Amino acid sequence: NAGVTQTPKFRVLKTGQSMTLLCAQDMNHEYMYWYRQDPGMGLRLIHYSVGEGTTAKGEVPDGYNVSRLKKQNFLLGLESAAPSQTSVYFCASRQGARIMNTEAFFGQGTRLTVV
Amino acid sequence: AQSVTQLDSQVPVFEEAPVELRCNYSSSVSVYLFWYVQYPNQGLQLLLKYLSGSTLVKGINGFEAEFNKSQTSFHLRKPSVHISDTAEYFCAVSLSSASKIIFGSGTRLSIRP
Repeated sequence: NAGVTQTPKFRVLKTGQSMTLLCAQDMNHEYMYWYRQDPGMGLRLIHYSVGEGTTAKGEVPDGYNVSRLKKQNFLLGLESAAPSQTSVYFCASRQGARIMNTEAFFGQGTRLTVV
Repeated sequence: AQSVTQLDSQVPVFEEAPVELRCNYSSSVSVYLFWYVQYPNQGLQLLLKYLSGSTLVKGINGFEAEFNKSQTSFHLRKPSVHISDTAEYFCAVSLSSASKIIFGSGTRLSIRP
């Protein structure tokens, strides 16, 4: 049981380049999330999805886009990377907010550096 | 909107001493509360959660937390810490009827021998 898998684990981008981060979960979870983690700021929610074909903005959505074409995958895109997007990105999934086992499961993170 | 405040960014303690990591939340409706732990260069894993019922919640690795609705707090405690507890700890809140999980800024726990 792989849980939540993020690809890639590390990446260095030049300013203005684009890239897509992939998150895959094998737990049949409805909800999926993308967070960024920066020192002293905890985890901030970028975008999230409550089901296949749906997406919603979180706390810091600017500069990012997401898609959830398949229930098991949640993609995070950077169209034109900026140094301010240097961060560690975490994907998480959750069965559902109204269900008792409502904790989130996290991937191992993607360390992105924009130079 | 809900929010979470972790009052201490760093907490140094001696090994085998007790520790309390503080967390306060704001919400006008009922919430689910969580504590997650992050070991160096790893993702987050759940320590414990409060959904409803008993206000004292026990988690893994000897940690426990108490939900206090009147003080809107969910402090994490351990009676005797070990070197292996060195990590960053995050408090998080989720509205019972919503899907977002909002995290606090984290508390770095460092254990001195």
